[in-house]
Amino acid sequence: SAVISQKPSRDICQRGTSLTIQCQVDSQVTMMFWYRQQPGQSLTLIATANQGSEATYESGFVIDKFPISRPNLTFSTLTVSNMSPEDSSIYLCSVHANSGRYNEQFFGPGTRLTVL
Amino acid sequence: KNEVEQSPQNLTAQEGEFITINCSYSVGISALHWLQQHPGGGIVSLFMLSSGKKKHGRLIATINIQEKHSSLHITASHPRDSAVYICAVETSGSRLTFGEGTQLTVNP
Repeated sequence: SAVISQKPSRDICQRGTSLTIQCQVDSQVTMMFWYRQQPGQSLTLIATANQGSEATYESGFVIDKFPISRPNLTFSTLTVSNMSPEDSSIYLCSVHANSGRYNEQFFGPGTRLTVL
Repeated sequence: KNEVEQSPQNLTAQEGEFITINCSYSVGISALHWLQQHPGGGIVSLFMLSSGKKKHGRLIATINIQEKHSSLHITASHPRDSAVYICAVETSGSRLTFGEGTQLTVNP
């Protein structure tokens, strides 16, 4: 299985600033995923982060707005740049790992971001 | 049309009732996941299915690949089952596409 922690758990930020969210996994994983969940909506994949290569962004998300680092197999960061109120969301990181039952998707507890 | 559609969007039940949540999808998938999200936001994986049926405690999940449809059943529902239940399909590269979720409320 995989235990995922995220920092910060929540933050309130001013428009125009940037916030970096950290994701730490207790085991080595090849792929890490970053998701956004806007208020009242389901999750949307932002990007897939592989160690040692550039992140792969989904349609509608760009590296300048959401730069991602993946320095090793247990850690990743997502930066939300030049924030606006529309970026207020829960940001979650996720990994695919074997739980003993099957290959399972594990999610971090999320970072609740409010932009004023 | 969304690639993953769930029904109902909201469901209220009395404790002890049998509950069914449905999920239909329109793309080719390698697996289908059922997830549970509690009010605090934490997400827990309930099942991953690629065929047939799985059971875990009071939860049962089925999938029909030909019909592109899956169901999540909860037997003898309990107020602690109250949560958002999310269907997600896995496509290439382990990417997940999520349904809108079903808000379940079980009243005592």
